[in-house]
Amino acid sequence: GAGVSQSPSNKVTEKGKDVELRCDPISGHTALYWYRQSLGQGLEFLIYFQGNSAPDKSGLPSDRFSAERTGGSVSTLTIQRTQQEDSAVYLCASSPKSGYNEQFFGPGTRLTVL
Amino acid sequence: GDSVTQMEGPVTLSEEAFLTINCTYTATGYPSLFWYVQYPGEGLQLLLKATKADDKGSNKGFEATYRKETTSFHLEKGSVQVSDSAVYFCALSETSGSRLTFGEGTQLTVNP
Repeated sequence: GAGVSQSPSNKVTEKGKDVELRCDPISGHTALYWYRQSLGQGLEFLIYFQGNSAPDKSGLPSDRFSAERTGGSVSTLTIQRTQQEDSAVYLCASSPKSGYNEQFFGPGTRLTVL
Repeated sequence: GDSVTQMEGPVTLSEEAFLTINCTYTATGYPSLFWYVQYPGEGLQLLLKATKADDKGSNKGFEATYRKETTSFHLEKGSVQVSDSAVYFCALSETSGSRLTFGEGTQLTVNP
């Protein structure tokens, strides 16, 4: 079946612009996660959704970062007023249900802020 | 807070050599432990996992045993192949369904 998909695969933007990153989880998966992979910081957790609610958003690095999930499916991560330090690969993962250990990862969106 | 420490890389081996990648963790409870692999140009994939002490996870010839007494989850393979070249990440999850905390990753290169 189809895995987790993310779009765009690559995004180049100018400092100060807003960007939106999209994640389509595996159909039927109720848990959704965002992570960031960058040089020097490794893989960092950003936010976790169970259904449409976000019980854990403690990894968001600043109030410029926000995320939402609608219909228990697609999620959008928005970064406002992008900075060069936001350059990273943003990964999305999903799990079949809360309490299920394995997370299935998408290919990521590579964000470059000039 | 939780943390995962992996041996420093990169690691370069010849085909059929024995592989060990060390991983130790710090956690307040009884986490589940994972090894994820990222092949060149691909996304993260679960390689193996263990959910309680003394469990052994295994897949594709790789093994790791959950050692609570040494807070370790070392990855081993008896005979590596060129196709095993990838970045390997050790990770933990404190409770089912919660965030993953990753180690720094270890780049493995296997030469023919």
